[in-house]
Amino acid sequence: DQQVKQNSPSLSVQEGRISILNCDYTNSMFDYFLWYKKYPAEGPTFLISISSIKDKNEDGRFTVFLNKSAKHLSLHIVPSQPGDSAVYFCAASAHQGAQKLVFGQGTRLTINP
Amino acid sequence: DAGVIQSPRHEVTEMGQEVTLRCKPISGHNSLFWYRQTMMRGLELLIYFNNNVPIDDSGMPEDRFSAKMPNASFSTLKIQPSEPRDSAVYFCASSRGGDEQFFGPGTRLTVL
Repeated sequence: DQQVKQNSPSLSVQEGRISILNCDYTNSMFDYFLWYKKYPAEGPTFLISISSIKDKNEDGRFTVFLNKSAKHLSLHIVPSQPGDSAVYFCAASAHQGAQKLVFGQGTRLTINP
Repeated sequence: DAGVIQSPRHEVTEMGQEVTLRCKPISGHNSLFWYRQTMMRGLELLIYFNNNVPIDDSGMPEDRFSAKMPNASFSTLKIQPSEPRDSAVYFCASSRGGDEQFFGPGTRLTVL
């Protein structure tokens, strides 16, 4: 049973447009959420996070939205750039600083020029 | 400053053989994590260590899998005997306590 789900295996977006990656979770004990980005032949790298006390966190072109009642979060990238093409993983944990992260399956984002 | 180092980067072996994956965490990091990535399940945490002590191995799939951390700068993940369904990319990550986890480049394992 997948506690963190990314239902879109892939997403294709035109350069300059907004990319929206979605993530759903089932465990109501999750309190802290993270997004990781992964390029081919490299390990994932941390991108942005959000605590459940917030519903939005912004860092430059990247914004994460959290809807606790729906157990849903999304990552918005605007404007999308070719360098954003990568696999994006959503992850959840019981609290900030918790070491046990539960990851989703990942979404491959392709930005087309 | 070197990141997390994993070896080998690629491993091809035959079913039934023993496989050993190696990891050197970032110096000064006291936590080490082993993950497995598959298409179906994404990234799964297999086991993690704090100060060389295994804390949670609930993600280790079977007794065929074992992990050790004999010192602060080295860890191994062993699969014996290996099976085709073990084919995946295995990542090692390290962190300073509950801070951000830094991942290595991974080992792509293929079991024929």
